[in-house]
Amino acid sequence: ETGVTQSPTHLIKTRGQQVTLRCSSQSGHNTVSWYQQALGQGPQFIFQYYREEENGRGNFPPRFSGLQFPNYSSELNVNALELDDSALYLCASSSTTGTGWYFGPGTRLTVL
Amino acid sequence: LAKTTQPISMDSYEGQEVNITCSHNNIATNDYITWYQQFPSQGPRFIIQGYKTKVTNEVASLFIPADRKSSTLSLPRVSLSDTAVYYCLVGPYRGVNFGNEKLTFGTGTRLTIIP
Repeated sequence: ETGVTQSPTHLIKTRGQQVTLRCSSQSGHNTVSWYQQALGQGPQFIFQYYREEENGRGNFPPRFSGLQFPNYSSELNVNALELDDSALYLCASSSTTGTGWYFGPGTRLTVL
Repeated sequence: LAKTTQPISMDSYEGQEVNITCSHNNIATNDYITWYQQFPSQGPRFIIQGYKTKVTNEVASLFIPADRKSSTLSLPRVSLSDTAVYYCLVGPYRGVNFGNEKLTFGTGTRLTIIP
């Protein structure tokens, strides 16, 4: 059984650019959530997808968007990057059987 | 969701028992207390979950008093590899909700184990 994987590991972008982060869910999981973790802070919920539909969103602007694919992998897209978007972006997957959330190692995004 | 308060940081020596207390005065009847561990540049990892009294697993124990307004995570005989940030979460994270409800993290407790 493979765990949650994310790519890339690190990424450097400049202000105004767009970025796409990717996540592969743990085998058998059909729900995925994305979190943003600024340095020294706890993870903050961005949004959640279940069966390719967004079913929950945190306090993030529309330039943060996502996709979930039929194989339950997922993408996080961020447009018009700002310096404050520099953070560790975490993907977590789960199943509907209540076994909890399993987090990936994250993607470290730096915006210059 | 109930707000949680934890110490910002703690230090302990190897081999000792470490207790991290979390305050959650506004916990709701259907809320569970869940602890996560996070190493640098890794995602959080589930440690333990409980509703009341005491829960023990192979990693830790969780003590919850009758009023449930606080909880204590106990790590027995810590080693250097226990150096991490520990998060206390309070929410309806049980059964089918644990994997459906978003997780609300605070700032956590940074535990440093000293050789």
